[in-house]
Amino acid sequence: GENVEQHPSTLSVQEGDSAVIKCTYSDSASNYFPWYKQELGKRPQLIIDIRSNVGEKKDQRIAVTLNKTAKHFSLHITETQPEDSAVYFCAASIGGGYNKLIFGAGTRLAVHP
Amino acid sequence: GAVVSQHPSWVICKSGTSVKIECRSLDFQATTMFWYRQFPKQSLMLMATSNEGSKATYEQGVEKDKFLINHASLTLSTLTVTSAHPEDSSFYICSAERGEQETQYFGPGTRLLVL
Repeated sequence: GENVEQHPSTLSVQEGDSAVIKCTYSDSASNYFPWYKQELGKRPQLIIDIRSNVGEKKDQRIAVTLNKTAKHFSLHITETQPEDSAVYFCAASIGGGYNKLIFGAGTRLAVHP
Repeated sequence: GAVVSQHPSWVICKSGTSVKIECRSLDFQATTMFWYRQFPKQSLMLMATSNEGSKATYEQGVEKDKFLINHASLTLSTLTVTSAHPEDSSFYICSAERGEQETQYFGPGTRLLVL
């Protein structure tokens, strides 16, 4: 079946450093790639998303890049802050639509003051 | 914004009982809702897609007679875990899609513990 691989599983950085999380997907028909942040015991919150007709998108300290040829997309967080500490999930749409999502395994990000 | 609620937030039940979880979109209509299951420190696994007015579509390996889904209105989908067993204990999260090609907005989740 279709899958999304996410790396690393854990990431520890110092406050102010950048963090990069990478995902690869298998479905060549995937065209929507959201990233979610989940704090312990809480719901996933969308932080940024990108569609297949765009190669890069930025929102303040957060950016996402997409390489459709390589089936690869990445999340970049700059100037990290302790409140960025959470689990981050990438996801990819499957089946050619936009709504059915397959999630990566998650990356636990720890930002140390 | 787009607010999705879930009820109850947590439930403890005895093995063999059935548990109903409600997912509501509070400020928008959702023709499509999704049900996920999340084990501790693991990812979200899609269980089924719930479409208003039609039967749910279940993912491979998810028993439709075990996890009954009803999407009777544009703002409400329910998941009933029938004859729950300890292995059904998990965090169940719903999401709702607002219109086509829109983001999924997640509910706060329901933590189920079956004794």
